[in-house]
Amino acid sequence: DSGVTQTPKHLITATGQRVTLRCSPRSGDLSVYWYQQSLDQGLQFLIQYYNGEERAKGNILERFSAQQFPDLHSELNLSSLELGDSALYFCASSGRTQGAGGYTFGSGTRLTVV
Amino acid sequence: AQKVTQAQTEISVVEKEDVTLDCVYETRDTTYYLFWYKQPPSGELVFLIRRNSFDEQNEISGRYSWNFQKSTSSFNFTITASQVVDSAVYFCALSESSGNTPLVFGKGTRLSVIA
Repeated sequence: DSGVTQTPKHLITATGQRVTLRCSPRSGDLSVYWYQQSLDQGLQFLIQYYNGEERAKGNILERFSAQQFPDLHSELNLSSLELGDSALYFCASSGRTQGAGGYTFGSGTRLTVV
Repeated sequence: AQKVTQAQTEISVVEKEDVTLDCVYETRDTTYYLFWYKQPPSGELVFLIRRNSFDEQNEISGRYSWNFQKSTSSFNFTITASQVVDSAVYFCALSESSGNTPLVFGKGTRLSVIA
């Protein structure tokens, strides 16, 4: 157990639908990052939150949004889903538990859009 | 802007051969961290190593070794006497030194070790 919890592990949904992916960071970590890994693609950075505030934005579509709650867990919302959104979505956290340069990844949520 | 290049998309070796995975990075920062991750077929990301830019000593861990050369902006990864269980996608990544900044990944190298 890495300490970062992602739920659900698998998700199958239809095109046009909306889903929410959840991430609980390692205890004490203030930063949460979301990454998308499409089939045979590298890890694309989507968005980062730090202590409840958006800190950095990557290649995140307008149909996607995220937030970080006061208890530091984060949710990634994907709407108007398309077949191309099928991917493995990773969450990672960082903070003082690992020191500078330390990141912990969750096991990912595999999203299949049919 | 930061960038990580893994020029080798796929590598195939026979078991017990040595293999080197290349990683070249670009950054304007003078202090940064470099990483290698392994992604086996099961999909999870397995952390292998983190190296601070001020530490250019090569590192060896069992059959794994890493060669960090600031002069060429490279952080190469060698597996000695490869095994079938080494078959995976390997990612090189870079982050700023301040921490709490996103990791930038290369596109990965798929390694297949054939028995």
